[in-house]
Amino acid sequence: DAGVIQSPRHEVTEMGQEVTLRCKPISGHNSLFWYRQTMMRGLELLIYFNNNVPIDDSGMPEDRFSAKMPNASFSTLKIQPSEPRDSAVYFCASSVSGGNTGELFFGEGSRLTVL
Amino acid sequence: GQQLNQSPQSMFIQEGEDVSMNCTSSSIFNTWLWYKQDPGEGPVLLIALYKAGELTSNGRLTAQFGITRKDSFLNISASIPSDVGIYFCAGQLKGGGNKLTFGTGTQLKVEL
Repeated sequence: DAGVIQSPRHEVTEMGQEVTLRCKPISGHNSLFWYRQTMMRGLELLIYFNNNVPIDDSGMPEDRFSAKMPNASFSTLKIQPSEPRDSAVYFCASSVSGGNTGELFFGEGSRLTVL
Repeated sequence: GQQLNQSPQSMFIQEGEDVSMNCTSSSIFNTWLWYKQDPGEGPVLLIALYKAGELTSNGRLTAQFGITRKDSFLNISASIPSDVGIYFCAGQLKGGGNKLTFGTGTQLKVEL
């Protein structure tokens, strides 16, 4: 069975460039989460969607970050313009809303390096 | 934001030893979960706890949901080399919807 699929796995870019990270949740899951992981701050929730609708984006650092979920099988996290402090591993996770809550399934992550 | 304090931060143990780690918070949680993260991978769910006082086992792993709903512990018995990784507690706040707050992590290293 396919798990959560993220792309790219690794991205190196220069400061000021636009970065787009992509996620395909597990089929049938209707909640999708974007997390950021750094050594200093650990795992931080950026935003989550239920049934393609953003529910809580209070973790999005600033206006440079945006996330969309145009349909049940695809989501993007965009950073424009990127800055070196955005360097981190970005994880997408999905779950079944209304099921056993908290049981998130994570992708393998996208490691972003902004030079 | 809400923080879960996890301890110890790291552990270096001998193969075969038992391991214990815990997680505390100043807030009440409805759900406690324990995840493990291997290098280069995303966290994977190990155990989920849904009731205060609940004690749940999964093979060599045992976890408990504290009576006060503000803490949880994870025990690993007879550790093996593949137990190496970072263990995270996570919780859902009462009224917090589907949001999971993660602890700071415990890095486990096992010496043969």
